Amino acid sequence: AQSVTQLDSQVPVFEEAPVELRCNYSSSVSVYLFWYVQYPNQGLQLLLKYLSGSTLVKGINGFEAEFNKSQTSFHLRKPSVHISDTAEYFCAVSDPGTSYGKLTFGQGTILTVHP
Amino acid sequence: AAGVIQSPRHLIKEKRETATLKCYPIPRHDTVYWYQQGPGQDPQFLISFYEKMQSDKGSIPDRFSAQQFSDYHSELNMSSLELGDSALYFCASSPRTGGNEQFFGPGTRLTVL
Repeated sequence: AQSVTQLDSQVPVFEEAPVELRCNYSSSVSVYLFWYVQYPNQGLQLLLKYLSGSTLVKGINGFEAEFNKSQTSFHLRKPSVHISDTAEYFCAVSDPGTSYGKLTFGQGTILTVHP
Repeated sequence: AAGVIQSPRHLIKEKRETATLKCYPIPRHDTVYWYQQGPGQDPQFLISFYEKMQSDKGSIPDRFSAQQFSDYHSELNMSSLELGDSALYFCASSPRTGGNEQFFGPGTRLTVL
């Protein structure tokens, strides 16, 4: 079974500061990794994904994440945040060994960007 | 670009009533997933369909059933509703099975009174 742990439930930062949202996963097999963002009362939007290849993945809105297999981590980073980045962020995994790709989500991290 | 369509967007029901949620995937997407997100919680996988057949099943109550139709749209049927069923229900679609990006709809917010 797979599980995802997001180490911070809330992260407050000031505008233009860097931010890191932490994600660790547990799996006995290789995984696909994703970060989704959810704005209030909206659906989930994919920020970036890791399927294979380069461990540094770049996504939309200036976000990037690094896959670290030895530490089973997939932390999300942005060098300079904006007010509009305020949202909830979910890390998720799926098992490439199964055919149907269901996602297992972490508990979410609420990012609040202050002016 | 076309997105996943869910209807209705909001639904209010009484306890013990039934509800039907509909999902229209992105054209040429053959896999549909349903997730339930309770208040302040992460989305939980309920069920998925590939080519109109159930492909995987998660923590879906026996009171719930779902199917995918010939036009690939999917419906989630919920009976004997309970207060705890109040949640945001997401549908997602993907172009093929196995690890690819899932495109999420805006969700249906179900409130059970």
